[in-house]
Amino acid sequence: AQSVAQPEDQVNVAEGNPLTVKCTYSVSGNPYLFWYVQYPNRGLQFLLKYITGDNLVKGSYGFEAEFNKSQTSFHLKKPSALVSDSALYFCAVRDSRGYQKVTFGTGTKLQVIP
Amino acid sequence: GAVVSQHPSWVICKSGTSVKIECRSLDFQATTMFWYRQFPKQSLMLMATSNEGSKATYEQGVEKDKFLINHASLTLSTLTVTSAHPEDSSFYICSGVGAGGTYEQYFGPGTRLTVT
Repeated sequence: AQSVAQPEDQVNVAEGNPLTVKCTYSVSGNPYLFWYVQYPNRGLQFLLKYITGDNLVKGSYGFEAEFNKSQTSFHLKKPSALVSDSALYFCAVRDSRGYQKVTFGTGTKLQVIP
Repeated sequence: GAVVSQHPSWVICKSGTSVKIECRSLDFQATTMFWYRQFPKQSLMLMATSNEGSKATYEQGVEKDKFLINHASLTLSTLTVTSAHPEDSSFYICSGVGAGGTYEQYFGPGTRLTVT
């Protein structure tokens, strides 16, 4: 079975400071990893993904994430947080083999303080 | 990015009635669509996966006779909640994945269902 853990329900960061939202995963085969963001009263939006290749992937709005196979982690990062980054962030994983099911983490609420 | 719409955005129905929710991919062909429930302050719970022209694959614990999913075309999937009960009240979200091995999902804005 595949699973995702987002250990922090909420992350608070001051505007302009770097931010990290943590994610660890478990999957039998090679992982496909994703980050999505949900703004209030809006649908989830795709931010970035790791499928293969470079461990550091860059996505929308200046976000990036690093795939670490040995630590089974895929933490989301941004060098300088904006107040507009405040939202709910979901990490998700899918096994590269066959079945399409994607498992989501429980979400981390990011609060950027002006 | 690709756009997915859902209709209605919210609906209130009486217990025992059925409700249909539509999910449309507006600018891409969704070979696969997913239906989720999202509870307050909780993650997305996958209900079923549907491929165009095939029967949906339901997750364990999801009643397929209660939650009817139809994926009749590459741009439309519907979820019908039959004989709705108050415990079916939830936020239902669909997503689509395009062809070509891109893997990421594009989500609809969700439908808030309240059963009274």
